[in-house]
Amino acid sequence: GAVVSQHPSRVICKSGTSVKIECRSLDFQATTMFWYRQFPKQSLMLMATSNEGSKATYEQGVEKDKFLINHASLTLSTLTVTSAHPEDSSFYICSGLPSYNEQFFGPGTRLTVL
Amino acid sequence: AQSVTQPDIHITVSEGASLELRCNYSYGATPYLFWYVQSPGQGLQLLLKYFSGDTLVQGIKGFEAEFKRSQSSFNLRKPSVHWSDAAEYFCAVVPPGNEKLTFGTGTRLTIIP
Repeated sequence: GAVVSQHPSRVICKSGTSVKIECRSLDFQATTMFWYRQFPKQSLMLMATSNEGSKATYEQGVEKDKFLINHASLTLSTLTVTSAHPEDSSFYICSGLPSYNEQFFGPGTRLTVL
Repeated sequence: AQSVTQPDIHITVSEGASLELRCNYSYGATPYLFWYVQSPGQGLQLLLKYFSGDTLVQGIKGFEAEFKRSQSSFNLRKPSVHWSDAAEYFCAVVPPGNEKLTFGTGTRLTIIP
């Protein structure tokens, strides 16, 4: 199957700083990538849909100025959590869409904001 | 409201026993259906999917799922579980005309010796 990587796998940062998470499709081109957030013992919640070369589409309730998404190439999308606070601590997972209606997921990034 | 439901939050099964995890959906038309597995602190791995055709779908790791239109269900089964199957299992759907996945709340599977 298609492979998606994320970097870093874990990050700890101080409150008020910004953190960038990378999502790469290693063996396919992803016109569309998705970003999810998962709280402990909960399901995945879609944050935004990232389309190469255009602005991301955010789900209702997700602050676009706080969660900046850039999809500059067909193999890379980045999520920047700006001015992070402890409530932003979560597990962030991206996915890529190599074919219609089948997403492949990255291994996730654990963000801890102190 | 459109939704996907996993009624069982937590299931405990003895190693070697059979397993069935339930998934029901509520959409006007049949969505695309998926089952994913997630080990602790890891991403999601696709077990199997249903788009159309044969309603009994075979997946990886010995899992299968059956689509039942009359019951709006897509239950996951395995005839004999292994300790390595302990994980969180998510049913997910892509509604018709959409590309976004909607996840169920998940079922945590515990395997006892």
